[in-house]
Amino acid sequence: AQSVTQPDIHITVSEGASLELRCNYSYGATPYLFWYVQSPGQGLQLLLKYFSGDTLVQGIKGFEAEFKRSQSSFNLRKPSVHWSDAAEYFCAVVRGLTGGGNKLTFGTGTQLKVEL
Amino acid sequence: EPEVTQTPSHQVTQMGQEVILRCVPISNHLYFYWYRQILGQKVEFLVSFYNNEISEKSEIFDDQFSVERPDGSNFTLKIRSTKLEDSAMYFCASDKGGGDNEQFFGPGTRLTVL
Repeated sequence: AQSVTQPDIHITVSEGASLELRCNYSYGATPYLFWYVQSPGQGLQLLLKYFSGDTLVQGIKGFEAEFKRSQSSFNLRKPSVHWSDAAEYFCAVVRGLTGGGNKLTFGTGTQLKVEL
Repeated sequence: EPEVTQTPSHQVTQMGQEVILRCVPISNHLYFYWYRQILGQKVEFLVSFYNNEISEKSEIFDDQFSVERPDGSNFTLKIRSTKLEDSAMYFCASDKGGGDNEQFFGPGTRLTVL
């Protein structure tokens, strides 16, 4: 069965500093991977996704992530964090369902705090 | 921009009562889902629904839960007899199908069972 591990429950960075959020996955085949962000009281917004091809993927809000098959990782990065990036970040692996739908398996999330 | 909507945003109920959570998926999407997030825990898959049938459900989705698409736009989750442990944020999602399609999430309904 697929699983996702986000080792860091909380991370605090200063505004303007760089950020890396870790994500490790377990999946038997080539994974489809997502990063979602959840602001307080909001739903889940997709930041970026990896399906195939270039292992460095760009997303919204200046985020990027790199897929490393050898390390089973899909870490999220941002070169310069803004105070508005404070939120909870979820990594997810996608499994296609029989009949065409998709099941997302999420990590436990990383709560990002940004210090001004 | 199309979005998934959910009502109500917050539902408070007494243990043993039935609740219905409502969702309006994106109109041209074919696959519909419910997930839940117990406070402080990860988002968990409950059920997927396609062509008026459940296509997959998790162990959490027992006989107390049911889903329905009563008309061309709404997608509902019913909990027949709520328990304290059903208190959670419930997210509805939809997508077009195919592994490379984004799954769009609604803002969630916070269910509190007293």
